[in-house]
Amino acid sequence: DAKTTQPTSMDCAEGRAANLPCNHSTISGNEYVYWYRQIHSQGPQYIIHGLKNNETNEMASLIITEDRKSSTLILPHATLRDTAVYYCIGCMNTGFQKLVFGTGTRLLVSP
Amino acid sequence: DTEVTQTPKHLVMGMTNKKSLKCEQHMGHRAMYWYKQKAKKPPELMFVYSYEKLSINESVPSRFSPECPNSSLLNLHLHALQPEDSALYLCASSQAGPGVTDTQYFGPGTRLTVL
Repeated sequence: DAKTTQPTSMDCAEGRAANLPCNHSTISGNEYVYWYRQIHSQGPQYIIHGLKNNETNEMASLIITEDRKSSTLILPHATLRDTAVYYCIGCMNTGFQKLVFGTGTRLLVSP
Repeated sequence: DTEVTQTPKHLVMGMTNKKSLKCEQHMGHRAMYWYKQKAKKPPELMFVYSYEKLSINESVPSRFSPECPNSSLLNLHLHALQPEDSALYLCASSQAGPGVTDTQYFGPGTRLTVL
């Protein structure tokens, strides 16, 4: 599985877009980029995933560079409830999913 | 229903006790997972069951014994634990299967304290 690198922490003002970067320069061609988040003392929550194309769902957008060596998770209008640790994970889909969590980015959304 | 339930929420046990953690899902998922999360650290995978068979054991000490009685239920039996085993234990499930782009749904966890 690809090793990912994320900033340790980021700040965002409430109502603004939060752009969380992730480097995954060793990602292989069949590995997906997954994003999960963990709000304090809760179980991780799936956000979004993608392989090559940009993806959008009700929670966020995922922008993957053409060379697939990095990606950005975008929360378009951050709220206080988006304060959490965000994990970017490279993972293959081979029947079941073996997630290897890195240290993630601690996002603090402030009023 | 995308809920994974875990019981108990909190557990305090002595080093000589035997206890079990329980995880349940009714989403028809065929893969179930146990993770361990120490304070201020990311979750670490312990075990994966796929179609009720143990598929991955990440070199977990034998004092942790997983069990998957059926496709909806996952247990983690604990015996002779050490204080350093105190952690949040997370269960997750996913659809699994060929051609499926999998995502995991996590339960709220059991916070375990070993005295």
